[in-house]
Amino acid sequence: NAGVMQNPRHLVRRRGQEARLRCSPMKGHSHVYWYRQLPEEGLKFMVYLQKENIIDESGMPKERFSAEFPKEGPSILRIQQVVRGDSAAYFCASSPLTGVTEAFFGQGTRLTVV
Amino acid sequence: RKEVEQDPGPFNVPEGATVAFNCTYSNSASQSFFWYRQDCRKEPKLLMSVYSSGNEDGRFTAQLNRASQYISLLIRDSKLSDSATYLCVVNGASGGYNKLIFGAGTRLAVHP
Repeated sequence: NAGVMQNPRHLVRRRGQEARLRCSPMKGHSHVYWYRQLPEEGLKFMVYLQKENIIDESGMPKERFSAEFPKEGPSILRIQQVVRGDSAAYFCASSPLTGVTEAFFGQGTRLTVV
Repeated sequence: RKEVEQDPGPFNVPEGATVAFNCTYSNSASQSFFWYRQDCRKEPKLLMSVYSSGNEDGRFTAQLNRASQYISLLIRDSKLSDSATYLCVVNGASGGYNKLIFGAGTRLAVHP
């Protein structure tokens, strides 16, 4: 039973380009969280999704960031026109039920904007 | 007030010491509580769930105090390998759904 899979593990983008981060939840899990972690800082909640539904996006920056979790396929976190401040580790976690049980994390995508 | 608050530390302790972390949460309706551990540049991993009656797993003991809305983690006989950031996690309501809410973490450094 594969765990939460994130890809790519490392992503380098030039300023102004788009970054697409993918997260495939564990089998049977229908809820996905995205978190951002800046160097030497804690996890910051970004968005919480169920398949085809955004439940809570209160942590998402209002511009340039979007997330989706389609009926088929992985969840995608999309960052348009990246800036240096977007450089961070982005973690995805999945859970089988609505926030009652624990969530399991992927290994993260480290985004570097040059 | 933050939904989940932790002392950021760092806690610097010698090997063999006992160390305790506390975490407070704001939503009295929260039902599920967890401690996660995060090593440097790695993903957080579940350390243990926290049950109402308290629970123990080897050198680790978790306690829940619903009346005061805090959770604690006690680590006995600290090892160098315990050095990590410990995250307190609580479930909370959001738009009719529950979601997990992470504290910012408490950093532990165990030295020889």
